[in-house]
Amino acid sequence: ILNVEQSPQSLHVQEGDSTNFTCSFPSSNFYALHWYRWETAKSPEALFVMTLNGDEKKKGRISATLNTKEGYSYLYIKGSQPEDSATYLCASLSGYSTLTFGKGTMLLVSP
Amino acid sequence: ETGVTQSPTHLIKTRGQQVTLRCSSQSGHNTVSWYQQALGQGPQFIFQYYREEENGRGNFPPRFSGLQFPNYSSELNVNALELDDSALYLCASSLKGTSTDTQYFGPGTRLTVL
Repeated sequence: ILNVEQSPQSLHVQEGDSTNFTCSFPSSNFYALHWYRWETAKSPEALFVMTLNGDEKKKGRISATLNTKEGYSYLYIKGSQPEDSATYLCASLSGYSTLTFGKGTMLLVSP
Repeated sequence: ETGVTQSPTHLIKTRGQQVTLRCSSQSGHNTVSWYQQALGQGPQFIFQYYREEENGRGNFPPRFSGLQFPNYSSELNVNALELDDSALYLCASSLKGTSTDTQYFGPGTRLTVL
């Protein structure tokens, strides 16, 4: 994998559903993996920074896992709420502190 | 809110013109990175400034240039604007040397080139 790739591109779920997204990244020269939440008309908000293989991070109903050997990370949202509607971006951090972003997963949670 | 501000919010220019975008970094941060997000794409890294010097550059032509000032605020300058330069320009500040290098983003400047 040469680029950071995210799937699915978009997702529409009902309130209360649990959901997950995938981020694939180059496993060579890996330094850290960032997840951001980006609501419309706002700044991207940092959710997690993960560095170690097997890392698991949690923030309320949102959690993430990291596999640096195979180059993927999962973001999970438990019991989705309408306020979770946003674009979720992942980015791989290289040794020069430059972030390479995926195109994002756009989540819409309907009441 | 991150404390990172950008100006202007929106800008309309014509092809061939020059534009300057500004970014004020979060207090205590010494590094500013600039990104371009074209429609349907993720943010693309333009360059990074650390202590007033360029510290890494993405695949952008020399007509994209920048500055960082002693207070760590930054400017992005684009000369000879092209239609494809129409995009959202994001800046992000960080404290270089921390183990995570978390970047805190501003709300962006929407540039339209006609």
